[in-house]
Amino acid sequence: SQTIHQWPATLVQPVGSPLSLECTVEGTSNPNLYWYRQAAGRGLQLLFYSVGIGQISSEVPQNLSASRPQDRQFILSSKKLLLSDSGFYLCAWSVGVGQPQHFGDGTRLSIL
Amino acid sequence: KQEVTQIPAALSVPEGENLVLNCSFTDSAIYNLQWFRQAPGKGLTSLLLIQSSQREQTSGRLNASLDKSSGRSTLYIAASQPGDSATYLCAGGSGNTGKLIFGQGTTLQVKP
Repeated sequence: SQTIHQWPATLVQPVGSPLSLECTVEGTSNPNLYWYRQAAGRGLQLLFYSVGIGQISSEVPQNLSASRPQDRQFILSSKKLLLSDSGFYLCAWSVGVGQPQHFGDGTRLSIL
Repeated sequence: KQEVTQIPAALSVPEGENLVLNCSFTDSAIYNLQWFRQAPGKGLTSLLLIQSSQREQTSGRLNASLDKSSGRSTLYIAASQPGDSATYLCAGGSGNTGKLIFGQGTTLQVKP
């Protein structure tokens, strides 16, 4: 069966520090991968999606970037965090467009 | 631009009641609609997915319907239990990326 892992579960970082969140999927090949953010009092918003290794599309302009160095690995990064980057970050996968998306347990990021 | 709205924002019912959660969307060109459950501080658990060609899906005590012409979906929960307490999110899939547009969610409390 397929599983998705995200780490760390929680993270507290100072403003201006770098960020690296990792997401890996097991049990499937060439999944579509997604990064969403859930900010306090707001709905889930898609940040990035990827349909293959090295293929990244950004949905909204922001201080973050994403990379997919391996088929089942999706990384969310920042060189310098802002206070507005605080939130709950969720990674998701699906076998293709129109198929169910399955989410990880998320990373709660607090910026001080 | 697709917008998804969920009403009510919060709902409290006594154990054993049947209830309906509502979801509306502005763009009828969705290709599916997915319902999720989110416990506080946790990731999303997929409950049901309805393809645009379907009218409803059932899983246990849950039944989800989709009416594209009116831009509405409902999630029916039968014989509610305290363990059903969570936030329920609906999301419409559209475009060629598989991205989901989420509603703000309905927070359900089932009282023993």
